[in-house]
Amino acid sequence: DTAVSQTPKYLVTQMGNDKSIKCEQNLGHDTMYWYKQDSKKFLKIMFSYNNKELIINETVPNRFSPKSPDKAHLNLHINSLELGDSAVYFCASSQSPDRGNTEAFFGQGTRLTVV
Amino acid sequence: AQKITQTQPGMFVQEKEAVTLDCTYDTSDPSYGLFWYKQPSSGEMIFLIYQGSYDQQNATEGRYSLNFQKARKSANLVISASQLGDSAMYFCAMREGVSWGKLQFGAGTQVVVTP
Repeated sequence: DTAVSQTPKYLVTQMGNDKSIKCEQNLGHDTMYWYKQDSKKFLKIMFSYNNKELIINETVPNRFSPKSPDKAHLNLHINSLELGDSAVYFCASSQSPDRGNTEAFFGQGTRLTVV
Repeated sequence: AQKITQTQPGMFVQEKEAVTLDCTYDTSDPSYGLFWYKQPSSGEMIFLIYQGSYDQQNATEGRYSLNFQKARKSANLVISASQLGDSAMYFCAMREGVSWGKLQFGAGTQVVVTP
């Protein structure tokens, strides 16, 4: 059973398009995240949701909009895609930080290429 | 300012030898967690080991151990008896107590295990 699954794995799209990446976790975690890994492999958090509520919103352009319909899902919608959005996007989940060790479990990543 | 520093961009290690990956961190929060993740060429992020700031003993998980030196703010990963499958990018990450699970990552160290 896949713990954190995100789709699609690869996404190639033209500039200006709108696209979504879906993420689901079956670990019973109540905190989910989106991370972006750039071409130099640097990983940076974008968003964090706890029990469907937005907790962390790093300085991300408002073209990026996360949506959490329930605790097990956190989708990422991106409007008006730009070349600089090309990266690998990782979804992750963990227990709430107040429950001790909070190692994050990551999905397999979505490689987004904007052409 | 960079909170997690990994000074070794890449290293080669021979099979069956031990390797130490350096990680230093910067925080004024007394409660924090330190994590190591492995990212093989296939791209997924694999959790390896966790050390809490209040843990008295160094964490160990199979061939992985964490050399935690709190006063020096270092959390080096030691991989014993390297295997070819250990070739990957290794990331050190930190969660600060008030950050709702947000992980801050270092730049990573690329490890290549040679026969």
